[in-house]
Amino acid sequence: GAGVSQTPSNKVTEKGKYVELRCDPISGHTALYWYRQSLGQGPEFLIYFQGTGAADDSGLPNDRFFAVRPEGSVSTLKIQRTERGDSAVYLCASSFGQNNSPLHFGNGTRLTVT
Amino acid sequence: GQSLEQPSEVTAVEGAIVQINCTYQTSGFYGLSWYQQHDGGAPTFLSYNALDGLEETGRFSSFLSRSDSYGYLLLQELQMKDSASYFCAYNTNAGKSTFGDGTTLTVKP
Repeated sequence: GAGVSQTPSNKVTEKGKYVELRCDPISGHTALYWYRQSLGQGPEFLIYFQGTGAADDSGLPNDRFFAVRPEGSVSTLKIQRTERGDSAVYLCASSFGQNNSPLHFGNGTRLTVT
Repeated sequence: GQSLEQPSEVTAVEGAIVQINCTYQTSGFYGLSWYQQHDGGAPTFLSYNALDGLEETGRFSSFLSRSDSYGYLLLQELQMKDSASYFCAYNTNAGKSTFGDGTTLTVKP
C-alpha cells in the first residue's frame, strides 16, 4: 500500500517568506508526527497529532511554527518569517498511535532558506 | 538527541557481527526502538523492545535492560547494504519517539 507522502520534496525560499509543508499519512493511522533533521543529527521532534488535535507540540521551536490536521488525515506544517536556521529536512511520520507502534516516515521535505 | 548516547561511527567488514550500544535517560519510558536510515532516505523501523531481553528479527537483534537504561542493536552476517545510519529512540506515550544522533555504520569488503 501507499506510504507516507510528503510534498514538496524540495523547497527553496528566501529569508522572511512563509512556507507550507504537506504530509499525507498512511490510511488508518491515527497518529501523525513532524520531525526535522539536520545533517549528522537524529530526527528532532516537533509536534504530534492524535486525530485532529495536537497532543504534544512541545518541540515546536517558537511561534513561527504551526501545524494543523483539520480532518484527522493530511497535515500541514507552516513556518512564518523563515530564517536560515530553519533549513533542514522536515520529516513526517504516521502510526497507529500505540506505545509500541512503529513510526512510518515519509521521504521528507528538504527546506533551504537563502 | 541529548538524552540518548550512541557511538557516532562504527566500521566492520562484510560477514562480521557488529553491536551498536545506546544508553538513555528519561522518565515515562515505554520502550526502545531502532531505525535505519540510508543516505538521502527516510528512517525505517527495525525493532522495538518494551521488556528486558533480546528480540530477534532475521539478521538483526535488539536488546534492552531497563534497569541499566541501556540497549543495543546487533547486526549479524553484515552485508554492504547494511552501511547506513542507525538510530536508537526511546518511546514515551502514544508512540512519540525521541531519537539519538545516530551511529554511522560503514561495512567494508
